Amino acid sequence: QKEVEQDPGPLSVPEGAIVSLNCTYSNSAFQYFMWYRQYSRKGPELLMYTYSSGNKEDGRFTAQVDKSSKYISLFIRDSQPSDSATYLCAMRVSGTYKYIFGTGTRLKVLA
Amino acid sequence: DTGVSQDPRHKITKRGQNVTFRCDPISEHNRLYWYRQTLGQGPEFLTYFQNEAQLEKSRLLSDRFSAERPKGSFSTLEIQRTEQGDSAMYLCASSLAGTGPSEAFFGQGTRLTVV
Repeated sequence: QKEVEQDPGPLSVPEGAIVSLNCTYSNSAFQYFMWYRQYSRKGPELLMYTYSSGNKEDGRFTAQVDKSSKYISLFIRDSQPSDSATYLCAMRVSGTYKYIFGTGTRLKVLA
Repeated sequence: DTGVSQDPRHKITKRGQNVTFRCDPISEHNRLYWYRQTLGQGPEFLTYFQNEAQLEKSRLLSDRFSAERPKGSFSTLEIQRTEQGDSAMYLCASSLAGTGPSEAFFGQGTRLTVV
């Protein structure tokens, strides 16, 4: 079993839809959670990071962490075609800087 | 451009040849990471440095791989005797160790093709 599980998709939604992207993890020592966006043939771009259970909002993006269920989510409101990319969750244990990534979910927002 | 810079962006090499990649981190960042990403997968950790010290290394980093960061600024990743299985995107990232958490910013990667 992988430490971090993420549905690879692809996920296709119409423009303007609310998108929900999720990861589950097995290591209860993970304390820091990140979401990266990666366009084709580019490096990952840091979107959001959270260090505690609960919600964190930044513009159209909301990151949610539920440590009791070992489940994290990224919500995208009013999705745009420019949001079409692969979304990677990543996490690490406090005191280490080895990031464990999910496989990424490929998102397509249709105009 | 003040982001993480990687060179070259693309490299095609014959099996058995040695290759070296360079990474220039964001200027004030003292942590530097190397990851490898294959198609359809998330990045896999290879190694990381704090300043010039290599603090952690993955078991993925076989004897043919070596990374250095001699003066705590840029870093190089060398692969000796390349194999077809080494074909991947090699990503460098950097972050700032400070009083609070700081997460990694990635470069555009070096895409290696071994033929």
